[in-house]
Amino acid sequence: GQQVMQIPQYQHVQEGEDFTTYCNSSTTLSNIQWYKQRPGGHPVFLIQLVKSGEVKKQKRLTFQFGEAKKNSSLHITATQTTDVGTYFCAGWGNAGKSTFGDGTTLTVKP
Amino acid sequence: EAGVAQSPRYKIIEKRQSVAFWCNPISGHATLYWYQQILGQGPKLLIQFQNNGVVDDSQLPKDRFSAERLKGVDSTLKIQPAKLEDSAVYLCASSRGVGGTDTQYFGPGTRLTVL
Repeated sequence: GQQVMQIPQYQHVQEGEDFTTYCNSSTTLSNIQWYKQRPGGHPVFLIQLVKSGEVKKQKRLTFQFGEAKKNSSLHITATQTTDVGTYFCAGWGNAGKSTFGDGTTLTVKP
Repeated sequence: EAGVAQSPRYKIIEKRQSVAFWCNPISGHATLYWYQQILGQGPKLLIQFQNNGVVDDSQLPKDRFSAERLKGVDSTLKIQPAKLEDSAVYLCASSRGVGGTDTQYFGPGTRLTVL
């Protein structure tokens, strides 16, 4: 079945440093979604990517979808303490089924 | 609009006991999902409903887990009997349409501890 891997599992940064998490699927995806889960909270939708090579930006966050639609990345520029949490990608296959990665947990030292 | 509601928020039971969780999705959302999230892992889909029909239950341990969505609105997830490895947060989510192009809105989850 479809597998979605995320790396790294954990990332500790100093406030102001950049952060990147990568998501890789074993199969070609129809689209990919990114979610953020704060400690003790539930996943909250951030963005969806559909097109091959698509790049979307939300303020300091940049999301990319690979040309082959099998990988994606989330980059945060100049992290802030409010960026703390676990970032998940969810890959959707052509059969309309999704698989979440295990997430990258970001901690930010002020 | 009101978010996805779940109850209870916390539940502690002993192994071999039964437990049930309830979810009320956002009004008008056709698709409802139940996920199991074990500590340190991503949400794992247990079952997906479209209205009151099952779209995907391939990862639902059917010997002990059951779920229903009567009338295509709220839903219950039951575990009978519970095992230690069922300790997890059970998340309910809903989306307006069908398939993977809609945002999933998650509820606060039910944290289950099996002793």
